[in-house]
Amino acid sequence: IAGITQAPTSQILAAGRRMTLRCTQDMRHNAMYWYRQDLGLGLRLIHYSNTAGTTGKGEVPDGYSVSRANTDDFPLTLASAVPSQTSVYFCASSDDPTLGNEQFFGPGTRLTVL
Amino acid sequence: GQNIDQPTEMTATEGAIVQINCTYQTSGFNGLFWYQQHAGEAPTFLSYNVLDGLEEKGRFSSFLSRSKGYSYLLLKELQMKDSASYLCAVQDSNYQLIWGAGTKLIIKP
Repeated sequence: IAGITQAPTSQILAAGRRMTLRCTQDMRHNAMYWYRQDLGLGLRLIHYSNTAGTTGKGEVPDGYSVSRANTDDFPLTLASAVPSQTSVYFCASSDDPTLGNEQFFGPGTRLTVL
Repeated sequence: GQNIDQPTEMTATEGAIVQINCTYQTSGFNGLFWYQQHAGEAPTFLSYNVLDGLEEKGRFSSFLSRSKGYSYLLLKELQMKDSASYLCAVQDSNYQLIWGAGTKLIIKP
């Protein structure tokens, strides 16, 4: 693994189904983030984690949950998918954000909910 | 509320210079980032400004005026590969990034 990876690359999902998007980084970054990107809108923060064992809500957390059992992994779960969750999802990580460190992004997961 | 404004789209000619502006109103300020995003790809980091002034990095420069809530990204000697979206993001009082919608830059030969 080099950097930050996400799986799956893309997914078509029936409404009401449960789905977990996976994110793994090998940079030993403490902070990790989940964003969604929709046409015409900026990246919007869903959830974040400043360090393993802690998580926080971002701008648009409803319908999503996260866990941070260890430093490397930060899965995002949609408990019961709805069509409005159709989006491109990016996972990102960074060193201490209070020091102006940039975020590194995974390649994204394109999710379609029908 | 929090607001980041940047033009939706700009067009420039190969070899020329282009300036992409970003204005912001946020709850606190801990720095401003510029990212590049090619179509279908992830954003990649370009620059970071926390103090007023110009930061130069090769063909790309970024300027910040905190008192005016204003930044710009300057791209010189434009190349076709610079065709991409450019995202402005402000780090707020909680050190989270607030993102603009991005400026799509089209380079014509």
